[in-house]
This record gives sequence, structure tokens and C-alpha cells, in this order.
Amino acid sequence: GAVVSQHPSWVICKSGTSVKIECRSLDFQATTMFWYRQFPKQSLMLMATSNEGSKATYEQGVEKDKFLINHASLTLSTLTVTSAHPEDSSFYICSARDGAGSSTDTQYFGPGTRLTVL
Amino acid sequence: AQSVAQPEDQVNVAEGNPLTVKCTYSVSGNPYLFWYVQYPNRGLQFLLKYITGDNLVKGSYGFEAEFNKSQTSFHLKKPSALVSDSALYFCAVRERAAGNKLTFGGGTRVLVKP
Repeated sequence: GAVVSQHPSWVICKSGTSVKIECRSLDFQATTMFWYRQFPKQSLMLMATSNEGSKATYEQGVEKDKFLINHASLTLSTLTVTSAHPEDSSFYICSARDGAGSSTDTQYFGPGTRLTVL
Repeated sequence: AQSVAQPEDQVNVAEGNPLTVKCTYSVSGNPYLFWYVQYPNRGLQFLLKYITGDNLVKGSYGFEAEFNKSQTSFHLKKPSALVSDSALYFCAVRERAAGNKLTFGGGTRVLVKP
């Protein structure tokens, strides 16, 4: 089946530093990837949609200058949390769609990255 | 706007008993429905999806779901629950009018007791 990996699985950083999270589709090409944020005991909140070779589309309320997304290839998207602060601590999950953008495509999710900002 | 409701925060069931996790949805057009499961500190694993055709969809790990258009529901079922099925389950909907984005329900925690 389709596999999506994320790296790192967890990271602890100091306030003010930047953290980069990688998301890879291992056995399929993904023209579209998604980044979600999940708070404890809550559902997933879509942060942005990442399209290969173009700028990401951010959801309302998500700071694009703070959460930098790059989708440089069909198998890799990165999320950089710039100047991280404790309120950015969360579980970040990426997802990749396995098709050409049809409504019937299945989204496969990475294992998540737990970010803790001290 | 599309939306998904999972009315139960938690479902408790004894091992070997049937398991049902409820999901209702609201869309303006044709819905595409998905179920995912999440284990602690992990991402979501795809279980099954309904696109068109047979209302009963079979998925991974013995799970199935029934699409009911008149009741706008897509309940997840398993005939005989296992302790290892204890996890967080998410229902999601997508429609073309919403830009092909997945909208998730709030999640239902399933606890299967031995």
C-alpha cells in the first residue's frame, strides 16, 4: 500500500529557533500534499495544501510566513516552523494524495511529528 | 459547506462483541466518504472509502461501513471487536465543491475491553 513517511518523528527545540519537518511519499508520486496540525484529543486541522512546483495554499488563520512549505518534488514536501514559540508545540501530520487530483483519490498520512518548543 | 459529525466521543465494547462507530455528514453534492484510524502518537491509517456503487464498503482489518444516503450516514462496523482495535477513529468527507479537501469529524475513541 501507499506509504508516507515523516522525519523527524519528534523534535524538541528552544524558543526562537526554526524546525524543518520532511514528508515523503515512498512508493507513489504525490502532486498534492497536505499539512495538518492536531492538538491533544482533537481532530486534525488543515494548515495548508502543498502543490508540487507551486506555492502552497494556506487555510484561513494560518501564518504563511511562520509555516513555510516547500514541495520541490513529487515525493517530498517540507514544513518549516520559523521562530518557533511554545504555542507552536503540537503534533504535525502530513498527507499525500495518491492520484491526479480527483475527488476519489485516497489521502495517506504520515506517522506525525511531535514538536515541543521550550 | 461540508461537515462531518461523530456524535460519540467514546465507544466502549467488550472483545468479541460487534463494534459500531457512528458518522453523519452534510454536503451539497455527492459525498466521498472515508474512515481512518489513529493509534497513539501515530498518523492516520486509511481503513476504507465510499465513492459510488455498493452501499456496503469493506475495508482493512475486518472493518466495513454502510453508506445511507437518506440518513446521510456512514457508520463504521466490525462484527467482532478485538482489543487491538482500541484507537481513535475519524470519519471524513470530501466533495468537489469544497476544493477536494477532506473535512474530518471530531473523532471517536474506541475502547475494547478483554
